[in-house]
Amino acid sequence: AQSVTQLDSQVPVFEEAPVELRCNYSSSVSVYLFWYVQYPNQGLQLLLKYLSGSTLVKGINGFEAEFNKSQTSFHLRKPSVHISDTAEYFCAVRMRGSNYKLTFGKGTLLTVNP
Amino acid sequence: GAGVSQSPSNKVTEKGKDVELRCDPISGHTALYWYRQRLGQGLEFLIYFQGNSAPDKSGLPSDRFSAERTGESVSTLTIQRTQQEDSAVYLCATGVGTGSGELFFGEGSRLTVL
Repeated sequence: AQSVTQLDSQVPVFEEAPVELRCNYSSSVSVYLFWYVQYPNQGLQLLLKYLSGSTLVKGINGFEAEFNKSQTSFHLRKPSVHISDTAEYFCAVRMRGSNYKLTFGKGTLLTVNP
Repeated sequence: GAGVSQSPSNKVTEKGKDVELRCDPISGHTALYWYRQRLGQGLEFLIYFQGNSAPDKSGLPSDRFSAERTGESVSTLTIQRTQQEDSAVYLCATGVGTGSGELFFGEGSRLTVL
């Protein structure tokens, strides 16, 4: 079985500041990793994913994440945030192979203040 | 339609009543998932359909919950004899097959049990 821990339930930042949203996972096998974003009153949408290859993954809206196998982490970063980045961010993991279940963390609410 | 459509968007019901939630998938998406999102919690896996294979019902919390899907068409999630703890947003997600594929989420059905 796999699990996901998002260490911060809420992250308030000022506009144009850098931000890092932390995600750690636990799995007995290799995994695929995802970040999804949920804007207010909208459905979840994929921000970025790590499948294989380069450990630094770039996504939409200037976000990137780095897969660290030794630390079992997949932290999300953005060098300069905008008001419009205010949303809930979910880290998710799926085991490679036949398992298809996507397991989500509890989410991190990013609030960008002017 | 262009995306995953869920109905109703909001449902208020009295304890003990049955409710039915509907999900219209993206055309051609063989995989369909139901998740539950309680306030302040992550997404809780409920059930998974893949084409005509037997569904994975391992996430259903009790026998009051059931779901159906015929082939690659509409899915319905039914909750019988609703309880207050069933109050949550029920999310439907669809994708193409299994493995590393992206999931596309509907905007959810918000259920409030009084």
